[in-house]
Amino acid sequence: DGGITQSPKYLFRKEGQNVTLSCEQNLNHDAMYWYRQDPGQGLRLIYYSQIVNDFQKGDIAEGYSVSREKKESFPLTVTSAQKNPTAFYLCASSIDRGTQPQHFGDGTRLSIL
Amino acid sequence: SQQGEEDPQALSIQEGENATMNCSYKTSINNLQWYRQNSGRGLVHLILIRSNEREKHSGRLRVTLDTSKKSSSLLITASRAADTASYFCATERGGADGLTFGKGTHLIIQP
Repeated sequence: DGGITQSPKYLFRKEGQNVTLSCEQNLNHDAMYWYRQDPGQGLRLIYYSQIVNDFQKGDIAEGYSVSREKKESFPLTVTSAQKNPTAFYLCASSIDRGTQPQHFGDGTRLSIL
Repeated sequence: SQQGEEDPQALSIQEGENATMNCSYKTSINNLQWYRQNSGRGLVHLILIRSNEREKHSGRLRVTLDTSKKSSSLLITASRAADTASYFCATERGGADGLTFGKGTHLIIQP
């Protein structure tokens, strides 16, 4: 079955550490996205990529970094510069960044020790 | 900034009843989409309605769009316990903006 796989499901980070969240899709989609969801809130866009080797900042990119070296993969690094990283992180993809529904992974919950 | 705002924030109904959720937005859109999120899971796309459409059906779901009022509603008929979830509207304005999500309506179906 085609889909999006996020790993790990739960992640713990010590203060001052960088951590990387994995997102892999086998849907052959060009566009991929990272969102952050805080309790009782909607989704806020961190970064998006319309095509391999290209990515753009979203609304809350500070303290995060991404790469898109392969079509299937769009990892997100939460750096030590992100002062409030505890949140639920969702990765999504779509055929392109136009008028298309997005397909989501099951998320990674990041907590600070 | 969040474009769509769902109303109510939370809704609790009995199984078998109909559930209606509303979404309001601020600027012109190309389309509006509804998503469902079960607790601790990702979002699942339910239905997309384009700006030139007024109503769309998918199984027990009915979505309406009123562009003059900048609002949409999602109706779930004959609700089931499995419909318990959060429901989000998302607007797409075209260009590089992508989707903008509201804060969601938390729906609880009581058996």
